[in-house]
Formats: sequence, structure tokens, C-alpha cells
Amino acid sequence: NAGVTQTPKFQVLKTGQSMTLQCAQDMNHNSMYWYRQDPGMGLRLIYYSASEGTTDKGEVPNGYNVSRLNKREFSLRLESAAPSQTSVYFCASSEERASRVYSNQPQHFGDGTRLSIL
Amino acid sequence: GEDVEQSLFLSVREGDSSVINCTYTDSSSTYLYWYKQEPGAGLQLLTYIFSNMDMKQDQRLTVLLNKKDKHLSLRIADTQTGDSAIYFCAESMTSYGQNFVFGPGTRLSVLP
Repeated sequence: NAGVTQTPKFQVLKTGQSMTLQCAQDMNHNSMYWYRQDPGMGLRLIYYSASEGTTDKGEVPNGYNVSRLNKREFSLRLESAAPSQTSVYFCASSEERASRVYSNQPQHFGDGTRLSIL
Repeated sequence: GEDVEQSLFLSVREGDSSVINCTYTDSSSTYLYWYKQEPGAGLQLLTYIFSNMDMKQDQRLTVLLNKKDKHLSLRIADTQTGDSAIYFCAESMTSYGQNFVFGPGTRLSVLP
């Protein structure tokens, strides 16, 4: 049971380079999320996709783009990497948004992508 | 606005109980969650509590919720070295938009 799979696990980039982080889930979840984790700051939401075909900005979207390719896959793209984007990136999924009262919709996380920008 | 706060560090001796505290601000939160993150890994859901409950027990884990004070705690009984990790508190809201807000995480160190 794979759950949420992220690739690559590690990546080093030079400033200005571009790359795409991949995420796939096999739980038939509707909603998917991209977070970044920095020391002492917890998780900050970059973008999310409430359902296939929709994407919305989170707390820290600048410098990133996303694509919800299909129900399973949600990718995060850095067009021109900057040192401030050095972080650990986590993808998560949930069955659907917590838009209904009494609806328990925990998020399930991948193992993360450790990205360093030099 | 939504904000979840936790102390950043906690050290306990093996065999003692650990209590990790969390405060949140959104009174419309429906579920509150505890996640565990081991080194080099993603976040693993540990347990959760519905907002109309005061307490939930699951083996060595006890979650206490004080809704009036917006205070959530996670007690780990008989703490083991394998419990060393970062623990995140998260609240889930009913409003459309970002539905999860995470705290900064508490790093639990278990000393032999």
C-alpha cells in the first residue's frame, strides 16, 4: 500500500534552474496539497487542489506553480529556483476538503523531497 | 485568523510521561489532530479528537481537549526512545479555503 509517493527524495539545484517535484497518491483522494517545512515554522501551505481540475493558492505560493494532472497526480514546479526555496517539500492528500461539519478528513503525507538551492 | 502554537522542545527521561501542549485560535475547528514526524520521514497521523469530546485514549496516548481555553494536549505514557520525534498539532476547520493549520511542531527528546 504505497499511499503518497514523492519523487525525487533529494535534489540540489543552482540558482535560476527549474525543476518539477512529482507527487502521486493511490487512495483515490480528491484533495491534494503541497507544503514546505522550514525549521521552527511548521508546515506552510503552498498550493492545494480541492479536486481534479482545480488548484488554489495557499499561504506561500510565490515562486511556485502547480498542475493537477489527474486525480492521482499533483506536481509542483519551481520555474527559477532561489536560495530561499531551500526546504523540505511535502505532498499530502485527503479524501475531500473539510467543508462538511463532522467530517473527519485527515491528511496523509508523503516522505518529502529535500531540496537545496545553491 | 488561524494560529496554532506549540512549545518547540521537550526533554523527558525514558519511562516517564510526556505531555505536549498546543493552543489554537479558531473556535470553529471540528477535528484536532496529532501527527508524528520521525527523522527523514513524512508526517504520520497519530490520533485525533472531535471537538465535542474532552478526552480520547488510545493505548499509551491520551488526548485532552479544553475547548473553552482552546487548549489541546498529548500525553504519552511510559515514553520510550522510539518516541523521540517532532509532534505536530493541527486543526481542521469547516470553512472553505485552507482546511488544515499546523503548529510549528514540538521536538521530543527521550533521554536514557
